[in-house]
Amino acid sequence: GENVEQHPSTLSVQEGDSAVIKCTYSDSASNYFPWYKQELGKRPQLIIDIRSNVGEKKDQRIAVTLNKTAKHFSLHITETQPEDSAVYFCAASTRGGAQKLVFGQGTRLTINP
Amino acid sequence: EAQVTQNPRYLITVTGKKLTVTCSQNMNHEYMSWYRQDPGLGLRQIYYSMNVEVTDKGDVPEGYKVSRKEKRNFPLILESPSPNQTSLYFCASSSRGRQNTGELFFGEGSRLTVL
Repeated sequence: GENVEQHPSTLSVQEGDSAVIKCTYSDSASNYFPWYKQELGKRPQLIIDIRSNVGEKKDQRIAVTLNKTAKHFSLHITETQPEDSAVYFCAASTRGGAQKLVFGQGTRLTINP
Repeated sequence: EAQVTQNPRYLITVTGKKLTVTCSQNMNHEYMSWYRQDPGLGLRQIYYSMNVEVTDKGDVPEGYKVSRKEKRNFPLILESPSPNQTSLYFCASSSRGRQNTGELFFGEGSRLTVL
């Protein structure tokens, strides 16, 4: 089955700097790659996703890139702010949507003022 | 308000005492799923359901049961809980078909401790 590896497990950046989180997946049939943000004590919530027919997607300060050949995708956060502090999860699915999502281990991002 | 509701939110129980965590969604979603979250392991899928009366195992189904008798409800049953089932549990739902945006809507989580 699908296996998703996420790095780093923790990341600390200065406010205003950029943060990058990387994930690799094993199943070449995977076609949907979302990113979820989980604030402390809260539920995970979708922040951005990308499908396999697209190489990059942006939404204001966040962007996701996908390299199907290498089977990896990354989350980029620019101009980080204190409210970006959270745990971020990448995920992959072969079903084109939320069904059978396999999640990475998570990255705890801390933004230092 | 569109939501996924889990109960109980917190539970401390003892080994072997059967318990059920309920999950209900009001968005008419066909797909529902249970995940457990453990430090360093991310979110691992326990069971999922594509529709009423259709359930299937996820990646870590051992020790759990589910049922989907109604579209809105998807309870998680621990017949004989053990300490290794101490975890944070999330129920989630999503639409399928043309309304499927891919987004998984999570409940607030249920923190279970088995002594």
